[in-house]
Amino acid sequence: GEDVEQSLFLSVREGDSSVINCTYTDSSSTYLYWYKQEPGAGLQLLTYIFSNMDMKQDQRLTVLLNKKDKHLSLRIADTQTGDSAIYFCAERGNNQGGKLIFGQGTELSVKP
Amino acid sequence: EPEVTQTPSHQVTQMGQEVILRCVPISNHLYFYWYRQILGQKVEFLVSFYNNEISEKSEIFDDQFSVERPDGSNFTLKIRSTKLEDSAMYFCASIQGSGTEAFFGQGTRLTVV
Repeated sequence: GEDVEQSLFLSVREGDSSVINCTYTDSSSTYLYWYKQEPGAGLQLLTYIFSNMDMKQDQRLTVLLNKKDKHLSLRIADTQTGDSAIYFCAERGNNQGGKLIFGQGTELSVKP
Repeated sequence: EPEVTQTPSHQVTQMGQEVILRCVPISNHLYFYWYRQILGQKVEFLVSFYNNEISEKSEIFDDQFSVERPDGSNFTLKIRSTKLEDSAMYFCASIQGSGTEAFFGQGTRLTVV
C-alpha cells in the first residue's frame, strides 16, 4: 500500500541550512506537501509541489522532487530557533478529494 | 484568511461515553476529512466525506465512529463508546475540490480516562 517515510530527528545550528528528506511509494502521487507542527498545535501547510515539477522555492523554503526515486526534500535556509518543530511530508493522488498519506514526521531541533 | 475551526480544543471523557467532535470547514470547500494523531505517532486518515456521504474510510473507522454534516457549516465526528486507545489529537481538514491545498484545523485533543 501507500507509504511515506521520513527520518525522525534532525539537529542543526541557528543560521545553518536544514534539509528534511522524505520518500514515498505511490507512483501515482500527484501532490506532495510539507506541513509544520509546533508543540501542541495543529498542522500548518508550509508548501506543496505538483509531481510534474522538480523544484519549488518560496522565500527560505526550497522543495526538491525526484520523481524517479520518489524522493522529496525540504530545505530551510538560514534556520532559526522558531523553525524548531515537527515537519510532516504528505502525498495525495490524482483523484479529486483523495486522502493525504503522512510520514511519521521529522523533529527539527535548532540550537543557538 | 479562511480557516478550519474545531471545537473543543481539549475534551476529557470517561471510557464508554459518547463524544462528538465539531468542525467548521472552509465555507466553499467540498471535501471534508477527519484524521487522528496518537501522541508521538504519525497522522492517520480516518474518513473522507463528499456530497453528504462517506467517500472513503480507513480500517480505524469502525462501527464506533460516525460522521455527519448536520447543516451547511458543521462537520462532526462521533465516537459512540470511547476506549482508552481513542485518546489522540483529532484533526479536521477540508479541500475545495479543484484546489490542491488541504487546510487543517487546530485539532481537538481527546483524552479518555
